[in-house]
Amino acid sequence: EVQLVESGGGLVQPGRSLKLSCAASGFTFSNYGMHWIRQAPTKGLEWVASISPSGGSTYYRDSVKGRFTISRDNAKSTLYLQMDSLRSEDTATYYCATDGIDYWGQGVMVTVSS
Amino acid sequence: DVVLTQTPVSLLISLGGQASISCRSSQSLVHSNGNTYLHWYLQKPGQSPQLLIYQVSNRFSGIPDRFSGSGSGTDFTLKISRVEPEDLGVYYCLQRTHNPLTFGSGTKLEIK
Repeated sequence: EVQLVESGGGLVQPGRSLKLSCAASGFTFSNYGMHWIRQAPTKGLEWVASISPSGGSTYYRDSVKGRFTISRDNAKSTLYLQMDSLRSEDTATYYCATDGIDYWGQGVMVTVSS
Repeated sequence: DVVLTQTPVSLLISLGGQASISCRSSQSLVHSNGNTYLHWYLQKPGQSPQLLIYQVSNRFSGIPDRFSGSGSGTDFTLKISRVEPEDLGVYYCLQRTHNPLTFGSGTKLEIK
């Protein structure tokens, strides 16, 4: 059974950093690209970043380029999202999802507020 | 970016009734490989989205045949027949033919 478990969320002040993790199990993690997708409170879904199976290629939405870094550790079957220079508009539930956007984690809440 | 326009914004359907949701794309979702990467999701209250239909018309594992998807090019439809209480939530379409992948704005299904 595919499982994705996010962690690392919380309350952080604007301009500070936070690192999210997504622990994967139930499939061969190193064979699949992965995504981070977010959802602001009471809003719709928004793709944030993607990474190739090897980690050699990464992609970001314009509003997070230069601030967020997606990475992975295939030995640990874990996906990461390093979020720097956080802004209030980054407040959202962050989900990790598999390459085909077929499996999602339960989500982790990030609140950026002073 | 590809814009997906979902209609209606909300639906009020009786138990046992039928619901139909439209997703229209600002450009064709046919990939250069011939596949069309238009998917449908249901987000139940307090839960993460779950995949219902992938590549227009294929039901994901465990999804009942009450859910069906159709369409081509820029025009797609999700139909839910014999609506049950557990079908309530917000339905989203997603395209991953073009980068960046984009979602529709959602359709909220409420049960009468």
